[in-house]
Amino acid sequence: AQSVTQLDSHVSVSEGTPVLLRCNYSSSYSPSLFWYVQHPNKGLQLLLKYTSAATLVKGINGFEAEFKKSETSFHLTKPSAHMSDAAEYFCVVSEIQGRGSTLGRLYFGRGTQLTVWP
Amino acid sequence: KAGVTQTPRYLIKTRGQQVTLSCSPISGHRSVSWYQQTPGQGLQFLFEYFSETQRNKGNFPGRFSGRQFSNSRSEMNVSTLELGDSALYLCASSRLGGTEAFFGQGTRLTVV
Repeated sequence: AQSVTQLDSHVSVSEGTPVLLRCNYSSSYSPSLFWYVQHPNKGLQLLLKYTSAATLVKGINGFEAEFKKSETSFHLTKPSAHMSDAAEYFCVVSEIQGRGSTLGRLYFGRGTQLTVWP
Repeated sequence: KAGVTQTPRYLIKTRGQQVTLSCSPISGHRSVSWYQQTPGQGLQFLFEYFSETQRNKGNFPGRFSGRQFSNSRSEMNVSTLELGDSALYLCASSRLGGTEAFFGQGTRLTVV
């Protein structure tokens, strides 16, 4: 069974300081992992994804995440926060079962609300 | 290329009524999934459709149903609405063999 735990429900940083959003996962398969961002009253936008290639994944807007199998973690980082990064972030695991399959069910963490102070 | 389109964006319904939400996937995407987002439960999987067939179903009562048409557009229906059905309903599309889901803006349903 798949599950995701986001270790912080709220993170506050000052503009220009690093961001770390933590995520641990549990998966019966070799997982595909994602980070999505949701701005108020908007849908979900994909930041980055890990699908068994390089363990350090670079995404949009300067975000990156590192897949650590031994720690079952997929933490999201950004060197320098910007005011526009304030949003809710979701760590997601998927049960893709092979090439030619549908994406299947996505398992979402409970989200981390990122606040960026000027 | 147009994104995932959900209509309507906002709905207000009365308890006991039924509602139908619509989702048009990205052109070429044949898989459509639905999720319910509430402050209390977070994002929960409702169902996944591919080629007009339901492939997966989440743990929701039978009042929640869906279907997919031959053009890949999907609808979900909720009958006998309850106050607890108030939520943001998100639709996502993906292509067969794809490795990411693309989400629409959602339909905000309020049950009064």
